[in-house]
Amino acid sequence: KAGVTQTPRYLIKTRGQQVTLSCSPISGHRSVSWYQQTPGQGLQFLFEYFSETQRNKGNFPGRFSGRQFSNSRSEMNVSTLELGDSALYLCASSLGDPVGNTIYFGEGSWLTVV
Amino acid sequence: QKEVEQNSGPLSVPEGAIASLNCTYSDRGSQSFFWYRQYSGKSPELIMFIYSNGDKEDGRFTAQLNKASQYVSLLIRDSQPSDSATYLCAVNTPSGGYQKVTFGTGTKLQVIP
Repeated sequence: KAGVTQTPRYLIKTRGQQVTLSCSPISGHRSVSWYQQTPGQGLQFLFEYFSETQRNKGNFPGRFSGRQFSNSRSEMNVSTLELGDSALYLCASSLGDPVGNTIYFGEGSWLTVV
Repeated sequence: QKEVEQNSGPLSVPEGAIASLNCTYSDRGSQSFFWYRQYSGKSPELIMFIYSNGDKEDGRFTAQLNKASQYVSLLIRDSQPSDSATYLCAVNTPSGGYQKVTFGTGTKLQVIP
C-alpha cells in the first residue's frame, strides 16, 4: 500500500512568487491535513480537508490556501511568498473517521524562499 | 495552557538505559493518543497509539495512558543511539463530529553511546 506522496520534494522560490504543493493521500483516506514546520519549531497546523471540504483551519494568513479534489488528492498554495515561509511543509492523511483517526505523514516538501 | 504539552528537552540518556518521555493534555474528552518519532530533516513517523488506560507494549516501546491525570508517556527500553530524535505526542479530541488532532511541540531525545 503506497504511503502519502508529496510533490515536489524540494523547491526554491523568490519572494513575491507563489507556490503550489501537491499531496496524494494513502488509498482510501479521505482526510488530508497540512502542516508547516520551521527549524526548531513544532508542527504548525495549516488546514484539514475532508471530502473536498475544509473542516478545520489554523492561524495562518489568507496567503495560505488549499483545496481537495474528488479523488482526495490535495494541493496547498502560498501566494506572495515571504522569506519566513521557508519551511518543511508536511501533508498527512487519515481515514477521517470519528474514532481511531490515525494520521500518516508524507515525506514533506522543502520550500526555500530567497 | 497549551492543549498538549511536552518538555522540549533535550533529554539525554546513556545507551542501554530507559528513556521516559511525557505528555500532558488539557481536554478531558480526548480519546486517542499517538507517539511519533521525527529524525532531523525527516517527516514524523508513527511509533504507536493508545486508546485505553494502562500500558501498551510494542517491542522496546511502551505507551502509558492515565486519563484521570490527563497524562500519556512513552518509555523506550534499552535506548540506542538510533533512537536519538524528536518525539511528538499527538492527541485526538472529538470536535464537531470528527476528531481534531493536536500535536505537542516535541521532546528531543539524545542517547549517548
